[in-house]
Amino acid sequence: NAGVTQTPKFQVLKTGQSMTLQCAQDMNHEYMSWYRQDPGMGLRLIHYSVGAGITDQGEVPNGYNVSRSTTEDFPLRLLSAAPSQTSVYFCASSLARTSNQPQHFGDGTRLSIL
Amino acid sequence: AQSVTQPDIHITVSEGASLELRCNYSYGATPYLFWYVQSPGQGLQLLLKYFSGDTLVQGIKGFEAEFKRSQSSFNLRKPSVHWSDAAEYFCAVKMDTGRRALTFGSGTRLQVQP
Repeated sequence: NAGVTQTPKFQVLKTGQSMTLQCAQDMNHEYMSWYRQDPGMGLRLIHYSVGAGITDQGEVPNGYNVSRSTTEDFPLRLLSAAPSQTSVYFCASSLARTSNQPQHFGDGTRLSIL
Repeated sequence: AQSVTQPDIHITVSEGASLELRCNYSYGATPYLFWYVQSPGQGLQLLLKYFSGDTLVQGIKGFEAEFKRSQSSFNLRKPSVHWSDAAEYFCAVKMDTGRRALTFGSGTRLQVQP
């Protein structure tokens, strides 16, 4: 019963470094997405994917890249980390066939940029 | 653009007391509505959802929510709060369009006094 798995759980980076946040789901969900959570702002959508090979931007995409080569995996890349990207990042997945499917969330990655 | 408002940032209730968390949304049609709960250091867990039909929906952990179209509201209620209910609660909406991402409110943090 793995569900949505995010790695790492914690990470500290220096400004300008790059890294990839991993997200994997074992529920054969077509739809996957990345959110960031900041105090007082709820969760905001960064990027999403409706299936392998298809990605699109969300509300706050700048500074982040994504790819979807398989149904299971949806990594989020920070190309050049900035202190403004200090946040908690959540990956979510759901069935895409109908809009009323709830999203399943991972436990998050807590990222600090120094 | 759709938006979700949770007017109460922080609520404190005594254990055993009743609870109501407010949620208002702005959207042209009836969206899909969700309540999620987040315990400290954890991901988001779905409490309940509304798509259509009966406007009073039951969820897990004894929670319920009522959809009121005339007020564009989807308030979460619980008749008797337990200490373990202390957490942050998020209301979210989803449009029936291609993006299918959730738009979240800013959250309400619930503190339970003994």
